Amino acid sequence: DAKTTQPNSMESNEEEPVHLPCNHSTISGTDYIHWYRQLPSQGPEYVIHGLTSNVNNRMASLAIAEDRKSSTLILHRATLRDAAVYYCILRDTGSARQLTFGSGTQLTVLP
Amino acid sequence: DTEVTQTPKHLVMGMTNKKSLKCEQHMGHRAMYWYKQKAKKPPELMFVYSYEKLSINESVPSRFSPECPNSSLLNLHLHALQPEDSALYLCASSQTGAGYGYTFGSGTRLTVV
Repeated sequence: DAKTTQPNSMESNEEEPVHLPCNHSTISGTDYIHWYRQLPSQGPEYVIHGLTSNVNNRMASLAIAEDRKSSTLILHRATLRDAAVYYCILRDTGSARQLTFGSGTQLTVLP
Repeated sequence: DTEVTQTPKHLVMGMTNKKSLKCEQHMGHRAMYWYKQKAKKPPELMFVYSYEKLSINESVPSRFSPECPNSSLLNLHLHALQPEDSALYLCASSQTGAGYGYTFGSGTRLTVV
């Protein structure tokens, strides 16, 4: 599986936008970019995914670079409940491939 | 129903015990997964079932035995575990194919004494 690189930790102020980066320079043309987050003492939660175009949903936006070698998860207005570990994961379309988690980014939201 | 339900939420077992973890979903997902998560670490894949058949076993010790009795249920049978097997065990499900997200349960916190 292609590898992703994320910062270990980030801080944000409450009610401000947060941009969480992910590098995936070895991404293949058939890899989807998935984002999950895990709040303390809970299972991971799906956030968003995309292939080539930017994506928006009620939780977040996903901005994908034109060469697809990086992406950014955007939380438009951080709340204290957004404090979590955020995982950027590549998933191959070629088969029913499993989700392989990297180390993720610990997001701290400051009041 | 958009949830994956795992039972029990907490389990304490001795090294000679036999116990089972249960996972259930009613979203029509045909892929189901078991992950293991140690404290402060990311989840690690253990098993993948696709259309009720085991498709991936990530070299998991035989003291962990998965079972998928039907498309809605996934079990993990535990026998002769070691204290280092204490962890959060997560179940997930998805449609098959990479263009779909996973839905995770909240996990079973297992302690082996």
